[in-house]
Amino acid sequence: NAGVMQNPRHLVRRRGQEARLRCSPMKGHSHVYWYRQLPEEGLKFMVYLQKENIIDESGMPKERFSAEFPKEGPSILRIQQVVRGDSAAYFCASSPLDETAWVFGPGTRLTVL
Amino acid sequence: TQLLEQSPQFLSIQEGENLTVYCNSSSVFSSLQWYRQEPGEGPVLLVTVVTGGEVKKLKRLTFQFGDARKDSSLHITAAQPGDTGLYLCAGHQGGSQGNLIFGKGTKLSVKP
Repeated sequence: NAGVMQNPRHLVRRRGQEARLRCSPMKGHSHVYWYRQLPEEGLKFMVYLQKENIIDESGMPKERFSAEFPKEGPSILRIQQVVRGDSAAYFCASSPLDETAWVFGPGTRLTVL
Repeated sequence: TQLLEQSPQFLSIQEGENLTVYCNSSSVFSSLQWYRQEPGEGPVLLVTVVTGGEVKKLKRLTFQFGDARKDSSLHITAAQPGDTGLYLCAGHQGGSQGNLIFGKGTKLSVKP
């Protein structure tokens, strides 16, 4: 049973380009959470999704950022027109319905040049 | 203002020593989780504490949740180099169950 998969592991974009980060939850997990970790900062909540539903996006910037978790396929975090300040490690986690056993993926390290 | 303050920020000890790291808040949390994160990897859940005063043991690791559910501690006995990593505490305070508040962590280095 594979853990949470994230790809790519490293992503380099120039300012103004789009970044797409993918997260495949563990088998049987129906909840996905995205977090961002800036250097020397703690992990910050961005968005919480269930299949085809955004439950809580209170941590996500209103502009340029969007997330989805379609019926089939991975969850996608999309950042449009990236800026240098978007450079960070982006982690997703998944959990089953009981919501307690969180499993984090290895993260995607985004670098904006 | 950091809702969850972790101390110390850095800790460097010799193999075989004991240590305690702390996670403090002025707010009440319904539950607290402890994670360990290694460089270049995601956090790995160690334990969840739910009840005030609760103590949980995981081999050489002992976790305690304060009676008022505002603080927690992690004690490691006879530390080993494999314990090296960033120890994070995280808690739910309200809002959706997806919104976990993390501390900045304690970076532990255990030298052989």
